[in-house]
Amino acid sequence: LAKTTQPISMDSYEGQEVNITCSHNNIATNDYITWYQQFPSQGPRFIIQGYKTKVTNEVASLFIPADRKSSTLSLPRVSLSDTAVYYCLVGPSYNQGGKLIFGQGTELSVKP
Amino acid sequence: GAVVSQHPSRVICKSGTSVKIECRSLDFQATTMFWYRQFPKKSLMLMATSNEGSKATYEQGVEKDKFLINHASLTLSTLTVTSAHPEDSSFYICSARVTGLAGDSEQFFGPGTRLTVL
Repeated sequence: LAKTTQPISMDSYEGQEVNITCSHNNIATNDYITWYQQFPSQGPRFIIQGYKTKVTNEVASLFIPADRKSSTLSLPRVSLSDTAVYYCLVGPSYNQGGKLIFGQGTELSVKP
Repeated sequence: GAVVSQHPSRVICKSGTSVKIECRSLDFQATTMFWYRQFPKKSLMLMATSNEGSKATYEQGVEKDKFLINHASLTLSTLTVTSAHPEDSSFYICSARVTGLAGDSEQFFGPGTRLTVL
């Protein structure tokens, strides 16, 4: 499974757009990029998944350049409740249900 | 999404005792469940894959005799930490895989169990 690199932490303020970038230089052709969110003392929660270009849902957007060696999770207008750890995973599609290997994650802190 | 529960949510035990953690899929059947552990400020580490009716598959470096996994039904997997020691204190999280009619599947995570060994 491809290794991922993310910033360890990020700070933001309420109402701002937050972009978290993940590097995955050795991503394989069949790999998808999936992002999870984890609040303290809770299990992770699926946010979004993409293969290429751009994916958007009600929570976030995921931007993937043509070479797929990186991806950016975009959270529009964050609130205090978006304070969490965000994990970027690269591997089989989310809906193929394979085992998930979590990297270090990015601890996002949203301030008032 | 589907709901996965864990019991207990937190447990404190004495060193040398065994602790059982339950993972249940509440509204779906899960032939496969996964167990993770997470130390403070660290990422989730996959411990093992639990398959209903068969032996669990452990990740490299995880002691199978220390962390006993039983998946006796399609809605329940248990993790027993045997002869617990303070270094086993951690946050244990399970996930359950649900497979749809089209063959696709998703994983849903439980809320975690905080184990503290004194």
